[in-house]
Amino acid sequence: GENVEQHPSTLSVQEGDSAVIKCTYSDSASNYFPWYKQELGKGPQLIIDIRSNVGEKKDQRIAVTLNKTAKHFSLHITETQPEDSAVYFCAATLPGGSQGNLIFGKGTKLSVKP
Amino acid sequence: EPEVTQTPSHQVTQMGQEVILRCVPISNHLYFYWYRQILGQKVEFLVSFYNNEISEKSEIFDDQFSVERPDGSNFTLKIRSTKLEDSAMYFCASSVMANTEAFFGQGTRLTVV
Repeated sequence: GENVEQHPSTLSVQEGDSAVIKCTYSDSASNYFPWYKQELGKGPQLIIDIRSNVGEKKDQRIAVTLNKTAKHFSLHITETQPEDSAVYFCAATLPGGSQGNLIFGKGTKLSVKP
Repeated sequence: EPEVTQTPSHQVTQMGQEVILRCVPISNHLYFYWYRQILGQKVEFLVSFYNNEISEKSEIFDDQFSVERPDGSNFTLKIRSTKLEDSAMYFCASSVMANTEAFFGQGTRLTVV
């Protein structure tokens, strides 16, 4: 079955710096890759997603890149702010499943220091 | 802004007892999901539900678990005889269609003692 690996597990950056989180997936049939942000005591919230027919997607300070050949995708946050501090999860769909049937990575705890 | 709501926020139960976790998905959503997150670990898919039946389930979702949509608004997860290792945060999610984003609730923390 699908397996998603995520690195690093923790990431600390200075406010204003960029942060990059990387994920790899195992099943080439997966075709949808969302990124979720989870703040303390809350559920995961979708921040950006990408489909397998696109190589890059950007939304203000957040961008995601996808390399289907290498089966990896990355989240890029530029000009980080303290409110970006949270746990970020990448995910991939179960092949043949709906976009809610997700396999998650283990998460990256991002700390942005003022 | 519409959101997925879950109750209770925290449930403590004795080992062997049955628990029912409740979720109210976003009103026009047709696909429903349950996930769990053991403390410090990744979020794990349990089950997806569409048109009043299970569409997909993981290996975790064994005979101890069941889901139901008892009325037009609630979506429930029942654990028949809880075990210590069922202690986790349980998240409900919903989406409009199969190919649209899933929205998560704030979770129910289940503690089995």
